[in-house]
Amino acid sequence: AQKVTQAQTEISVVEKEDVTLDCVYETRDTTYYLFWYKQPPSGELVFLIRRNSFDEQNEISGRYSWNFQKSTSSFNFTITASQVVDSAVYFCALSEDNAGNMLTFGGGTRLMVKP
Amino acid sequence: GAVVSQHPSRVICKSGTSVKIECRSLDFQATTMFWYRQFPKQSLMLMATSNEGSKATYEQGVEKDKFLINHASLTLSTLTVTSAHPEDSSFYICSARAPVGLGEQYFGPGTRLTVT
Repeated sequence: AQKVTQAQTEISVVEKEDVTLDCVYETRDTTYYLFWYKQPPSGELVFLIRRNSFDEQNEISGRYSWNFQKSTSSFNFTITASQVVDSAVYFCALSEDNAGNMLTFGGGTRLMVKP
Repeated sequence: GAVVSQHPSRVICKSGTSVKIECRSLDFQATTMFWYRQFPKQSLMLMATSNEGSKATYEQGVEKDKFLINHASLTLSTLTVTSAHPEDSSFYICSARAPVGLGEQYFGPGTRLTVT
């Protein structure tokens, strides 16, 4: 069985602060895929990143960066210089197949960025 | 990126009636679509996997006779909540699996169902 845990239910920061959202996962498979999605107040989930279990290289995309560490089963997400528009619920998810089927979502972290 | 639409975005219905929610992939064909349910301040829970031309696969605990899923074409899947009750009030989200590339799911904007 697979499980995704996002221990931080809510985080509040002031604009321009850096913030890291934690994600810890459990799976018995050696091949798996990790995702991050953003859910703004409008409700629509926005895909942010997909990472397979064989690629532990960290990734940076603008103000976003991801740290994947298999040794600790973590896939943390950092927003640098946060902005008010970053306020949303962020979900980490795990899939055991390449096609993105059977996504298991974490509980989500609500990020509030105050001006 | 791929676009998935849902209709309606919000619906209020009376207890005992049925409600149909549509999920469309607008610029790609989706052989597989997924239906999720999200309660307030909670995560998404997969309800069922919808495959074009075949019966949907329901997750454990989801009543297939209550939540009817039809995937009649490569761009449309529908979820019908039959004999709705107040406890069915929730945010329903569909997604479509991208046919090529990274294989991630593209999500619709969701439908908020309120049963009075």
